[in-house]
Amino acid sequence: QKEVEQNSGPLSVPEGAIASLNCTYSDRGSQSFFWYRQYSGKSPELIMFIYSNGDKEDGRFTAQLNKASQYVSLLIRDSQPSDSATYLCAVREGGYQKVTFGTGTKLQVIP
Amino acid sequence: DGGITQSPKYLFRKEGQNVTLSCEQNLNHDAMYWYRQDPGQGLRLIYYSQIVNDFQKGDIAEGYSVSREKKESFPLTVTSAQKNPTAFYLCASSIRGQYNEQFFGPGTRLTVL
Repeated sequence: QKEVEQNSGPLSVPEGAIASLNCTYSDRGSQSFFWYRQYSGKSPELIMFIYSNGDKEDGRFTAQLNKASQYVSLLIRDSQPSDSATYLCAVREGGYQKVTFGTGTKLQVIP
Repeated sequence: DGGITQSPKYLFRKEGQNVTLSCEQNLNHDAMYWYRQDPGQGLRLIYYSQIVNDFQKGDIAEGYSVSREKKESFPLTVTSAQKNPTAFYLCASSIRGQYNEQFFGPGTRLTVL
């Protein structure tokens, strides 16, 4: 059973701080990695994807991938109360269309 | 506007009834997916389809059925055989291929009375 692990949280950070969300995965053959944001009662929204080792930046968001350690993270700079949500990590195996989701980390940004 | 629509938003069902959840997309995506989400849990894959007239079981297909007669549509039927159907159901679509970013519809919240 391929697994994607996330700390459920809640992770509380003050407004303006950096929030760091982490995810580990079990399948070494995984090739594509995604971060989704899900507000309570709403559907997930794709915010970042990364395929290669290293960092990928998009505005206040940075995704980091380390395939050797089977670890992917999401950094949110200058956190805002509107960033308060559950963040889902998702991993796609190589050669397959299926994606495995973690259970999500709940982020709370305190004004 | 391009996107994915799901209907209805809320659905109530009596035990023993089959219900069908609608999912339509106008993104010209080949692949479509159905997930189930329970409180405090991640998304679990029910069925997925990569092309018209073809679909595969996901991790929790028992008690569910699907069809893919058109590229734009991927309806999900929750049958009376599904023991715990109360959940939030999410439909997603993506292009086929290596990168496979999935985009989600707004979801249908099913409650069995």
